[in-house]
Amino acid sequence: DAMVIQNPRYQVTQFGKPVTLSCSQTLNHNVMYWYQQKSSQAPKLLFHYYDKDFNNEADTPDNFQSRRPNTSFCFLDIRSPGLGDAAMYLCATSKPTSGRWALYNEQFFGPGTRLTVL
Amino acid sequence: GQSLEQPSEVTAVEGAIVQINCTYQTSGFYGLSWYQQHDGGAPTFLSYNALDGLEETGRFSSFLSRSDSYGYLLLQELQMKDSASYFCAVKSGNTPLVFGKGTRLSVIA
Repeated sequence: DAMVIQNPRYQVTQFGKPVTLSCSQTLNHNVMYWYQQKSSQAPKLLFHYYDKDFNNEADTPDNFQSRRPNTSFCFLDIRSPGLGDAAMYLCATSKPTSGRWALYNEQFFGPGTRLTVL
Repeated sequence: GQSLEQPSEVTAVEGAIVQINCTYQTSGFYGLSWYQQHDGGAPTFLSYNALDGLEETGRFSSFLSRSDSYGYLLLQELQMKDSASYFCAVKSGNTPLVFGKGTRLSVIA
């Protein structure tokens, strides 16, 4: 089945120790997103790729970086995790149905990676 | 900027009908989506309205009024498994989806 896969599902890291979360998709979608979601809050968009075109949200901390080496894979790098970075990190994909953004209507989410910072 | 308002919590009885409202402010509006998220799970797409009116998918329906910048999600014949958080999300301009803060629905017996 076509899907969005995130590894690992649970990640524990130490304060200040770099960590990388991975996402892969078999949907062949152009767009990939990284969201941060804290308990009882809405998903907060960190950045997204339209193909290789990287788009960073204005309020995404510099501590967060991303790489998309090919259509299928996308990585989230947290260079120096702080306690406040403990959250669920969600990867999502979409495929615009017309033009770059027009008529877009659905994002497909992976199961998420829950990050704990000790 | 964009903003969405939806109630933070709703409680309803099993078998009943519940409506979750969403109002939004944005420019270049394309459409309103609804996502469901169970505790510990990922958001899953429920519906999308680009035009005024009601869209029905099984027990779930979604409504949009563009002139009122308002939409709602209607859940019928509520089941315990419908207990989850429901997010409305706006698509506008050249920006990705913007999610509301979510409504936590509790279905009680």
